[in-house]
Amino acid sequence: NAGVTQTPKFQVLKTGQSMTLQCAQDMNHNSMYWYRQDPGMGLRLIYYSASEGTTDKGEVPNGYNVSRLNKREFSLRLESAAPSQTSVYFCASSPLAGLGNEQFFGPGTRLTVL
Amino acid sequence: QKEVEQDPGPLSVPEGAIVSLNCTYSNSAFQYFMWYRQYSRKGPELLMYTYSSGNKEDGRFTAQVDKSSKYISLFIRDSQPSDSATYLCAMSAGTDSWGKFQFGAGTQVVVTP
Repeated sequence: NAGVTQTPKFQVLKTGQSMTLQCAQDMNHNSMYWYRQDPGMGLRLIYYSASEGTTDKGEVPNGYNVSRLNKREFSLRLESAAPSQTSVYFCASSPLAGLGNEQFFGPGTRLTVL
Repeated sequence: QKEVEQDPGPLSVPEGAIVSLNCTYSNSAFQYFMWYRQYSRKGPELLMYTYSSGNKEDGRFTAQVDKSSKYISLFIRDSQPSDSATYLCAMSAGTDSWGKFQFGAGTQVVVTP
């Protein structure tokens, strides 16, 4: 039981390049989330998917797109990377959306945009 | 001004001491409060979850919420070197927030043997 897995672990991009961060969970959870973590800022929600087939914007969605490919997988795409998107990205999942449902986090992807 | 404020530390304590962590917040609508532990280069993991005011204890961990002061605390008794990590507080306003939390920036704790 791997929990939440993320690929890649590290990535360096040049400004303007695109990439997709992959996330998968094997806990049969309905809800999935993408966060970014920056020094001094805490975790900020980028997008979330309350259930398969739905996605919604979080606090900082600009410059990102997401795809809930199936119940297990939730990807985050940067179409034209900018230095401001240098961050650590965490995917999380929970049995259901809403409070009282613990979110389980992946190990993170460390992204640097030059 | 951030909605959730947390001292970044580092907070250094000797093994066996009590670790005291806190967060202040400005949104009086927050009523769900959580503490996460994050080891270096790992994702956060949930430690404690409380609703509204009061205390909650789980082993060596005690969470307190004082809504009148907009202040939450986490105490770790008999601290161990394995407790060295960054501790994040998180909070949310209500059941329609779809699990969207406001996180503090985290306090780094170092427990020295």
